[in-house]
Amino acid sequence: AQSVTQLDSHVSVSEGTPVLLRCNYSSSYSPSLFWYVQHPNKGLQLLLKYTSAATLVKGINGFEAEFKKSETSFHLTKPSAHMSDAAEYFCVSYGGTSYGKLTFGQGTILTVHP
Amino acid sequence: NAGVTQTPKFRILKIGQSMTLQCTQDMNHNYMYWYRQDPGMGLKLIYYSVGAGITDKGEVPNGYNVSRSTTEDFPLRLELAAPSQTSVYFCASVLGTTSSYNSPLHFGNGTRLTVT
Repeated sequence: AQSVTQLDSHVSVSEGTPVLLRCNYSSSYSPSLFWYVQHPNKGLQLLLKYTSAATLVKGINGFEAEFKKSETSFHLTKPSAHMSDAAEYFCVSYGGTSYGKLTFGQGTILTVHP
Repeated sequence: NAGVTQTPKFRILKIGQSMTLQCTQDMNHNYMYWYRQDPGMGLKLIYYSVGAGITDKGEVPNGYNVSRSTTEDFPLRLELAAPSQTSVYFCASVLGTTSSYNSPLHFGNGTRLTVT
């Protein structure tokens, strides 16, 4: 069975400093992986996705993530945080034996201080 | 395209009442999902469907039912509402295959349900 673990429930950074949101996955194969962002009282928006084409994936708003099979990780990074990045972020996996199912991580709330 | 549309946006139910949360998409997506989101718990899959006439249980199906008579619509039914069903419900859809998604996953804006 697939599982996704987001290692931090809350991350706090200052504006202009780097962001790192950590995600580990568990699967017997390389799944498709995604990062979604949810702003307060809004739906979820796709930031980026990995589908085995390239291990370094660039997304919207300056975010990127690197797929590392040896570490079973898919961490989300951004070089410089902006106040508008404050939101909840979800790491999601899909594919293979979990036909049609998405597996969500528990979410990481990002706070950005001025 | 409207994307994924959920109705209603808000609802308050009394214990034991029933209701249907509506979800419709106009993108001809084959896969559709219902999730509930509770604080600090991420999103839990209630039911999903990989095509018209095909539905399957997710992680937390108890107390809910679904149907998928058309590609566009995927309603979620609560038969006997309980306080434990107080949550935010999200519907999502995507064009997918067994190994990957061929389009981004689209989410509706959610239905905030309170059962008292």
